[in-house]
Amino acid sequence: KAGVTQTPRYLIKTRGQQVTLSCSPISGHRSVSWYQQTPGQGLQFLFEYFSETQRNKGNFPGRFSGRQFSNSRSEMNVSTLELGDSALYLCASSLDGEQGYEQYFGPGTRLTVT
Amino acid sequence: AQRVTQPEKLLSVFKGAPVELKCNYSYSGSPELFWYVQYSRQRLQLLLRHISRESIKGFTADLNKGETSFHLKKPFAQEEDSAMYYCALSRYGNKLVFGAGTILRVKS
Repeated sequence: KAGVTQTPRYLIKTRGQQVTLSCSPISGHRSVSWYQQTPGQGLQFLFEYFSETQRNKGNFPGRFSGRQFSNSRSEMNVSTLELGDSALYLCASSLDGEQGYEQYFGPGTRLTVT
Repeated sequence: AQRVTQPEKLLSVFKGAPVELKCNYSYSGSPELFWYVQYSRQRLQLLLRHISRESIKGFTADLNKGETSFHLKKPFAQEEDSAMYYCALSRYGNKLVFGAGTILRVKS
């Protein structure tokens, strides 16, 4: 079956702009999580959506938001971009939102803020 | 707060030598622990988890609650084991707390 896909793969934005990233989970998976990966902070959890509801949230400012659609596809939005938002954004999907299910990661979207 | 510590940024071993990637965690409850691996130009993928008690690709990891450790071990390293390894903790849901990662380099 097809893996997790993320679009776009690369983005270059300017400070102050906003950006929307998209994630399509594996068919049948209802949970989608987002992570930010940077050289300095490593992999950090942003939020998780399950059945169109935000189930968990990490410690990121309100500029970071997300949503999930009825087909489980998810988007994350970052408003008023800052240089420090430059990162690889990973999406992961799993069968269920309960603890213990394997998460499958996408290839990531590389965001560069100039 | 939950925290995962991987003390080594880089571990370099010779082919055939034993490997131990260290992972320590801080969490007061009963977390679920994982090891994820990222091979060159590939996606992050699950290697193993403590509840399954499996051996994957010759790797094993035992959860030691007394020492709050979940070290990853393999008796004989192979060149194809070269990768970035992340230890991760989950308290509930799919929120994973990752360690900083350890690069394993297996030399021939």
